[in-house]
Amino acid sequence: DQQVKQNSPSLSVQEGRISILNCDYTNSMFDYFLWYKKYPAEGPTFLISISSIKDKNEDGRFTVFLNKSAKHLSLHIVPSQPGDSAVYFCAPSPYNQGGKLIFGQGTELSVKP
Amino acid sequence: NAGVMQNPRHLVRRRGQEARLRCSPMKGHSHVYWYRQLPEEGLKFMVYLQKENIIDESGMPKERFSAEFPKEGPSILRIQQVVRGDSAAYFCASSEAGTGAGAFFGQGTRLTVV
Repeated sequence: DQQVKQNSPSLSVQEGRISILNCDYTNSMFDYFLWYKKYPAEGPTFLISISSIKDKNEDGRFTVFLNKSAKHLSLHIVPSQPGDSAVYFCAPSPYNQGGKLIFGQGTELSVKP
Repeated sequence: NAGVMQNPRHLVRRRGQEARLRCSPMKGHSHVYWYRQLPEEGLKFMVYLQKENIIDESGMPKERFSAEFPKEGPSILRIQQVVRGDSAAYFCASSEAGTGAGAFFGQGTRLTVV
């Protein structure tokens, strides 16, 4: 009963190129979709979010796209930098559940110089 | 401008002992969430609290686990009679409004049961 799936456990990208991290979900009742970045032995760091009423949100090098009909969202990082190497979690929040987050399994991004 | 503070960062307990994990939310935040990350897995929601109230404990194991967020002081996640399977990283998050617009996480407490 996995509501949020990040099907790529790992992704390797060359520095300067685009990184695309994907996330699929099954529950239609999410109102916000958040992305977190996590380094080993640290807590998740909030990166960017998108409301369910939008289809795109951009913040510097990070852009999140939401396709509600396909129940799919993606995080684009461009240009990728070695410091972006981390595990990225997709974490939607269900309607009316007070900000509770449902995490995907994560995708480990490695950006090579 | 302190973020979410968790302590201790590392905790070792023998089987059968009690573990107490503390979380102080960001200033101005009254909504606290606890998550657990087992090895090789994503984070799993455990409980959502506001001051003096448990709002959603749907992710808490039925036995041995409890949480509180008193009027004064930090939120506490308490695990009684720990077992090896409780070994995990426990993360606390806080938010201002109790919506999905953004929650900020602490560094986590790594519990090891020996």
